[in-house]
Amino acid sequence: AQKVTQAQTEISVVEKEDVTLDCVYETRDTTYYLFWYKQPPSGELVFLIRRNSFDEQNEISGRYSWNFQKSTSSFNFTITASQVVDSAVYFCALSGEYSGGGADGLTFGKGTHLIIQP
Amino acid sequence: NAGVTQTPKFRVLKTGQSMTLLCAQDMNHEYMYWYRQDPGMGLRLIHYSVGEGTTAKGEVPDGYNVSRLKKQNFLLGLESAAPSQTSVYFCASSYYGEQYFGPGTRLTVT
Repeated sequence: AQKVTQAQTEISVVEKEDVTLDCVYETRDTTYYLFWYKQPPSGELVFLIRRNSFDEQNEISGRYSWNFQKSTSSFNFTITASQVVDSAVYFCALSGEYSGGGADGLTFGKGTHLIIQP
Repeated sequence: NAGVTQTPKFRVLKTGQSMTLLCAQDMNHEYMYWYRQDPGMGLRLIHYSVGEGTTAKGEVPDGYNVSRLKKQNFLLGLESAAPSQTSVYFCASSYYGEQYFGPGTRLTVT
């Protein structure tokens, strides 16, 4: 069975601080995908990134960066110079190997509520 | 291109009533999903479909039924609603990899 653990239930920082959201996953698949989604107070789910298990390069997109470490089964998300608009719930998710049509959905972590104080 | 749409956006039901949530996508995706989101629980997969005419159970299927008669639509049914089904329901579709989510349906069962 797959599992995603986001141990940080809530994080509160002051604007302009850097903040890292942790994600640890478990899977028996050799090929899998990892995702991060943002859920702002308005409630929609906003896709941030998808990473496959063969690509361990870190990724940077503006103030956002992701650190994928297969050795520790972690896919952490860092926001640099945080802003109030970053306040949201962030979900890490995992999907298994796609083969023969076995697209069986995402396994989500419970989310981390990030509060950026002005 | 509307993406994934869900109908209705809000609904209040009384215990024992039935209803159907409709999900529609215009991206010609094969795969479609229904999730529920409860406070502190993240999203959990209810049912999914890998193509027209096929459905499968997810993590929390009890109390729900689904149908995929047309490729673009995925219906979620509650035959006899219970207060435990109070939740926000998200539909999603995908081709390979990224899932595209609808805006959600907030359902309250009293």
